[in-house]
Amino acid sequence: AQSVAQPEDQVNVAEGNPLTVKCTYSVSGNPYLFWYVQYPNRGLQFLLKYITGDNLVKGSYGFEAEFNKSQTSFHLKKPSALVSDSALYFCAVRDLLSGNTPLVFGKGTRLSVIA
Amino acid sequence: TAGITQAPTSQILAAGRSMTLRCTQDMRHNAMYWYRQDLGLGLRLIHYSNTAGTTGKGEVPDGYSVSRANTDDFPLTLASAVPSQTSVYFCASSDSSGFVGELFFGEGSRLTVL
Repeated sequence: AQSVAQPEDQVNVAEGNPLTVKCTYSVSGNPYLFWYVQYPNRGLQFLLKYITGDNLVKGSYGFEAEFNKSQTSFHLKKPSALVSDSALYFCAVRDLLSGNTPLVFGKGTRLSVIA
Repeated sequence: TAGITQAPTSQILAAGRSMTLRCTQDMRHNAMYWYRQDLGLGLRLIHYSNTAGTTGKGEVPDGYSVSRANTDDFPLTLASAVPSQTSVYFCASSDSSGFVGELFFGEGSRLTVL
């Protein structure tokens, strides 16, 4: 079975500071990992994904994420936070061995960037 | 490009009544999904369809049914609504080739069951 955990319900960071939103996963095989962002009263938007290759993945809006197989983590990062980054962030995983099964999402982490 | 269109945007429904949430996509994606989003519980999969004519159960399928008569449409039906089905419902689609495609989401349908 595949699962994903986002250990922080809320992350607060000052504008201009680096931000990290944590995600750990559990799969039987190799993972496909995704990050999505949700702004208020909107649907989720795709940010980035890791399928294979370079462990550092770059995505939309200056976000990046680092795949760490030994720690089974896929933390989302940004070097300098903006107030407009304030939103709900979801990590998701699909197990390569599970075939064409749907993504499993974490419970989400609310990011607040304070001016 | 419209992407995923959901209707209605918001609805208040009396318990025991039936309701169909509509979802249409114009991207010719094979796979479609219905999720519900509840505070503290994140996104939970209700039903999915990997291709037209097939459907599957997700994590929380009870009380819901779906059909996939064609590629574009994936309606979600509540046969007899209960208050615990109060939620925000999201439809999504993906080009599932190779299982690596990201999901595209609609804007959501907010349902309140009284």
